[in-house]
Amino acid sequence: QQPVQSPQAVILREGEDAVINCSSSKALYSVHWYRQKHGEAPVFLMILLKGGEQKGHDKISASFNEKKQQSSLYLTASQLSYSGTYFCGTERPGANNLFFGTGTRLTVIP
Amino acid sequence: DAGVTQSPTHLIKTRGQQVTLRCSPKSGHDTVSWYQQALGQGPQFIFQYYEEEERQRGNFPDRFSGHQFPNYSSELNVNALLLGDSALYLCASSLRRGVNTGELFFGEGSRLTVL
Repeated sequence: QQPVQSPQAVILREGEDAVINCSSSKALYSVHWYRQKHGEAPVFLMILLKGGEQKGHDKISASFNEKKQQSSLYLTASQLSYSGTYFCGTERPGANNLFFGTGTRLTVIP
Repeated sequence: DAGVTQSPTHLIKTRGQQVTLRCSPKSGHDTVSWYQQALGQGPQFIFQYYEEEERQRGNFPDRFSGHQFPNYSSELNVNALLLGDSALYLCASSLRRGVNTGELFFGEGSRLTVL
């Protein structure tokens, strides 16, 4: 039930944009996005519920296509503070738990 | 407002031993989930506790067991430790609303090394 994330790693210069994708083989109720910096706990970014909504958080936004069981995280005008590993967590209807992907390591350099 | 606290932060055990990890959820939260995170991997769901009962379980053997106390704190027990149990164990708390998961708040984790 583990979702698949791509790419596995990406290096950006400050100000560049990036897209991280998350795909599941199962029908989903929601997709969650978290960021984990090295040696720290994962931190919540946003939840997307089925309905194809798109959410934004500062310059980080995401979309959820429930028909394709896919979600994408968009980071625009990246900052050094965006560096970390991004995980998507997927939840099936009525499941009340999350299964996380293998993560995408994002490195932003000056 | 204290967040999620876990103890111990680091511990070393030998194969065959048993370990107990502890978690205090964020104030006001009633649900605790445990995850195992191997190096370079995403968190793997172990189980979830709500109202002192195990509600959900991932693909982990019976060597992994847990408990939730009336004050919502929780313990994770692992028996007959194997080398492959070496990992960061994360506790996440949330407030149960209906049948789907809200925002998870993670603790810093307990890093277990099995020799």
